[in-house]
Amino acid sequence: AQTVTQSQPEMSVQEAETVTLSCTYDTSESDYYLFWYKQPPSRQMILVIRQEAYKQQNATENRFSVNFQKAAKSFSLKISDSQLGDAAMYFCAYKADKIIFGKGTRLHILP
Amino acid sequence: GAVVSQHPSWVICKSGTSVKIECRSLDFQATTMFWYRQFPKQSLMLMATSNEGSKATYEQGVEKDKFLINHASLTLSTLTVTSAHPEDSSFYICSARDYKGSAYEQYFGPGTRLTVT
Repeated sequence: AQTVTQSQPEMSVQEAETVTLSCTYDTSESDYYLFWYKQPPSRQMILVIRQEAYKQQNATENRFSVNFQKAAKSFSLKISDSQLGDAAMYFCAYKADKIIFGKGTRLHILP
Repeated sequence: GAVVSQHPSWVICKSGTSVKIECRSLDFQATTMFWYRQFPKQSLMLMATSNEGSKATYEQGVEKDKFLINHASLTLSTLTVTSAHPEDSSFYICSARDYKGSAYEQYFGPGTRLTVT
């Protein structure tokens, strides 16, 4: 069975600094997608970034980028120039036929 | 982007009663929808996959007689919590899948908070 592990329940970062959230996963599939979702207090799931497993190039979306290491089954999220609005729960997710989520990392932004 | 709605956003019901939650894809047709459950400060746990016109597929440990799922049209799936008890209180999130070119995209609803008293 596929699993997604986020080993950091909470993290804090100073505003304008850079922070990296860790995620590892386990799968025997070769074709899949990986995601980072943000869940603010409203609890609406917001897609931050996605990565297709067949692509070697790391995905980037403005201040958000990933470090995808397929062999190591690692998928970390880097947030650059952290802003107060980045404070939220961040979930790493894996999808072959359905999306499964890690336990999440709560990110605090310190002003 | 594609929009998924849920109704109601918040519901309070008495123990022993049933409550229905609706999930709609507003601007696309979704042959497949997913239902998740989220306890406070925890992750989303997939409960079941809902396929239009056929029976839902439940994840291990989810009582299908307790959580009835109906996907009667391409834009609507419903989750009915039957004989609700306080331990069923949770945040329920649906997600609908849309085929975009060469891949599926999955969109999430805003969630429904269920409180059973």
